[in-house]
Amino acid sequence: QQKVQQSPESLSVPEGGMASLNCTSSDRNFQYFWWYRQHSGEGPKALMSIFSDGDKKEGRFTAHLNKASLHVSLHIRDSQPSDSALYFCAASSDTNAYKVIFGKGTHLHVLP
Amino acid sequence: EAAVTQSPRSKVAVTGGKVTLSCHQTNNHDYMYWYRQDTGHGLRLIHYSYVADSTEKGDIPDGYKASRPSQENFSLILELASLSQTAVYFCASSGTGGSAETLYFGSGTRLTVL
Repeated sequence: QQKVQQSPESLSVPEGGMASLNCTSSDRNFQYFWWYRQHSGEGPKALMSIFSDGDKKEGRFTAHLNKASLHVSLHIRDSQPSDSALYFCAASSDTNAYKVIFGKGTHLHVLP
Repeated sequence: EAAVTQSPRSKVAVTGGKVTLSCHQTNNHDYMYWYRQDTGHGLRLIHYSYVADSTEKGDIPDGYKASRPSQENFSLILELASLSQTAVYFCASSGTGGSAETLYFGSGTRLTVL
């Protein structure tokens, strides 16, 4: 079973709209979460990390973590065509510190 | 910014042949990783290393070997390439390998095995 599950698989939003991406973990040992973004032909790049319950805001991007439900989300406000990419949720735990587990990703398409 | 360089950017190999993918980092990071990306599978960890001359198995190590001759360099070796190893391979590095470390990825190597 995939330990980090993302939804939806694909998402289309209009330019200027709000994009919401979801991630759920099945492992209660996971305490540290990231969102990585991958543009076509490039390697993934860390977008945001979130380690504590609640919201974390960086510009147009807001991540939300609820450790009790093992749910993390990413909300992109005022979406731009340049936000079109593959977004990965990733998680790690103290028990296997080196091992970062990635979800399968959400394809975000921002329509001009 | 952290720099991880992979070579080659793409490669075509024949089934049964030997393939070596190379990775070089200038971040002074201890940990280095090899991931494989396939459509529908996300990123899966093949091998990782936390010190020169030592490598560890990740989640899908079968059919792959790794080599870490120095802190800066980490190679992935396919001794007998197979069709199922066609994928995009990413190298990454992180500072200390701690739980809260961000990974820095290279641009990837697209491997096609025919």
